[in-house]
Amino acid sequence: GDSVTQMEGPVTLSEEAFLTINCTYTATGYPSLFWYVQYPGEGLQLLLKATKADDKGSNKGFEATYRKETTSFHLEKGSVQVSDSAVYFCALRGEGFNKFYFGSGTKLNVKP
Amino acid sequence: GAGVSQSPSNKVTEKGKDVELRCDPISGHTALYWYRQSLGQGLEFLIYFQGNSAPDKSGLPSDRFSAERTGGSVSTLTIQRTQQEDSAVYLCASSPPGTKVGGYTFGSGTRLTVV
Repeated sequence: GDSVTQMEGPVTLSEEAFLTINCTYTATGYPSLFWYVQYPGEGLQLLLKATKADDKGSNKGFEATYRKETTSFHLEKGSVQVSDSAVYFCALRGEGFNKFYFGSGTKLNVKP
Repeated sequence: GAGVSQSPSNKVTEKGKDVELRCDPISGHTALYWYRQSLGQGLEFLIYFQGNSAPDKSGLPSDRFSAERTGGSVSTLTIQRTQQEDSAVYLCASSPPGTKVGGYTFGSGTRLTVV
């Protein structure tokens, strides 16, 4: 069945460091891919999405490219800030389905 | 309201008791979902409501779990005879009609602790 695997955390970085959080998926057909973010004490929020191969989702300086050949959707940011400290979830939505499949989440800690 | 509202935000219950968790979706959102986030685990799908259609209950882990949605709006997730493994954050999300691709709006969750 469909599934998502993302790197385990926590990830600890200094401010202005480069961030990569790996995400790979297993799915039939052509799923849509998402990154969600959960800030401390808040609900999940959609960060970015990509709906087809080679699409790049971007928001708030974060980017992720839908790579069908490697079944990956890695999250990147060139220069992280303390305010980016949160838990990041990779997710997929199967073709024609309403359910999302989420990774286990990666906690990011950014130190000043 | 402006967002998805869940109550209570925290619930501690004794093993064997029944609990009810409530979700108020965004007004006008026809789809409503329940997920469970256990410690160290990903988000686990529980149940999905879409308008007046029969709900997709395929994610409910046992017959102790049930959910209803009254009037196409508020939803209640009920867990009977709670067990310690039921301890988790229960998240509700909603989405508007006609959303083929896109994100949900999530509530802040109810943290359930079974002691």
